[in-house]
Amino acid sequence: EVQLVQSGAEVKKPGESLKISCKGSGYSFTSYWIGWVRQMPGKGLEWMGIIYPGDSDTRYSPSFQGQVTISADKSISTAYLQWSSLKASDTAMYYCARQSDSSSSEGGFDPWGQGTLVTVSS
Amino acid sequence: SYELTQPPSVSVSPGQTARITCSGDALPKQYAYWYQQKPGQAPVLVIYKDSERPSGIPERFSGSSSGTTVTLTISGVQAEDEADYYCQSADSSGTWVVFGGGTKLTVL
Repeated sequence: EVQLVQSGAEVKKPGESLKISCKGSGYSFTSYWIGWVRQMPGKGLEWMGIIYPGDSDTRYSPSFQGQVTISADKSISTAYLQWSSLKASDTAMYYCARQSDSSSSEGGFDPWGQGTLVTVSS
Repeated sequence: SYELTQPPSVSVSPGQTARITCSGDALPKQYAYWYQQKPGQAPVLVIYKDSERPSGIPERFSGSSSGTTVTLTISGVQAEDEADYYCQSADSSGTWVVFGGGTKLTVL
């Protein structure tokens, strides 16, 4: 079974750093792009960026470029999303999701991780 | 920046047909994908490449494309179909992934 399992919920203070993870299993981790998606409370889905674990080719949405860093460690089949200095406005649910087609970076996402809730509050 | 436009809400009675549209200038060039998201759950892909249905998705879910608009159709809507639905595609160059704003489907 293809599965993405994300790290647990986080509560942080403004200015703190954070790295959340997404571990893939049941498929060739290096052969499929993995994307990150933000969902702020009560709002819609926003595409943040995507990484190809095979060679770490990474693309960011202009809205998130410079705000977060996406990385991957193919030796442990894990992708990461990190912040160097969190803001209250980063409070959201963050999902990782795998491209359903190994040949595409802009196709559909299937499956999705269960989500990681990040709360930033003083 | 590129945008996909969806109606905020659609309401139908059980057994009726729900149609949710998604408009974007690049849709004639780029495939569209549809997701269902129920409260407290991660999104689930229900339609890929405009009109293909993943295994395990009920046949009542279908997709179509015409020009700059794609449509998700749910035939014989059931109470369990009440959810938020999002379309997703890419800009004309295929560089950026974009989600529509989402449509809340209410089953009356």
